[in-house]
Amino acid sequence: EAGVVQSPRYKIIEKKQPVAFWCNPISGHNTLYWYRQNLGQGPELLIRYENEEAVDDSQLPKDRFSAERLKGVDSTLKIQPAELGDSAVYLCASSLQQIGNEQFFGPGTRLTVL
Amino acid sequence: TQLLEQSPQFLSIQEGENLTVYCNSSSVFSSLQWYRQEPGEGPVLLVTVVTGGEVKKLKRLTFQFGDARKDSSLHITAAQPGDTGLYLCAGATATDSWGKLQFGAGTQVVVTP
Repeated sequence: EAGVVQSPRYKIIEKKQPVAFWCNPISGHNTLYWYRQNLGQGPELLIRYENEEAVDDSQLPKDRFSAERLKGVDSTLKIQPAELGDSAVYLCASSLQQIGNEQFFGPGTRLTVL
Repeated sequence: TQLLEQSPQFLSIQEGENLTVYCNSSSVFSSLQWYRQEPGEGPVLLVTVVTGGEVKKLKRLTFQFGDARKDSSLHITAAQPGDTGLYLCAGATATDSWGKLQFGAGTQVVVTP
């Protein structure tokens, strides 16, 4: 079974440019997460979807970040405009609602803003 | 500020030695998980503990959840180079909505042959 797929794996942009990340979760997983992981830190949740609904976006900087999950499957995270401080690894994860809440992570997109 | 404090931040040992990493908090968790993350990859779940005092063993790895459900430890016996990675603990508190995990900053473990 395929794992969580993310693209691109790497992205280098100049500040003030837009950027988008794409995630395809494990088939059948209704819950999808976007995390940001800064160097030397653990992942921090940006947004969580249950099917198509964003149920927790309290940590998403809404002035420049947006996300969507059309049809409750694939998801896109966008930053516009990007700032130097946005350089990080953006991780997507998916899960089924079950005891233990095991989340399966994709390999991430490493973003560098120059 | 990290809700979960992990220590040490970095650990370098020789193959065959034992090691323990810690995860501490002032908050009570309904469940706590340990992940391992390798360079260029996402974290991979190792174990979930849900009961205070629970001990789980996974081959050479032993996980313990504190009685008060505020802390946890991971012990590796006879470490191997393949154990190298970033070990992350993550907890869900009773007040969080289902599915919300708080991650610690991680312990970077390096096992040299």
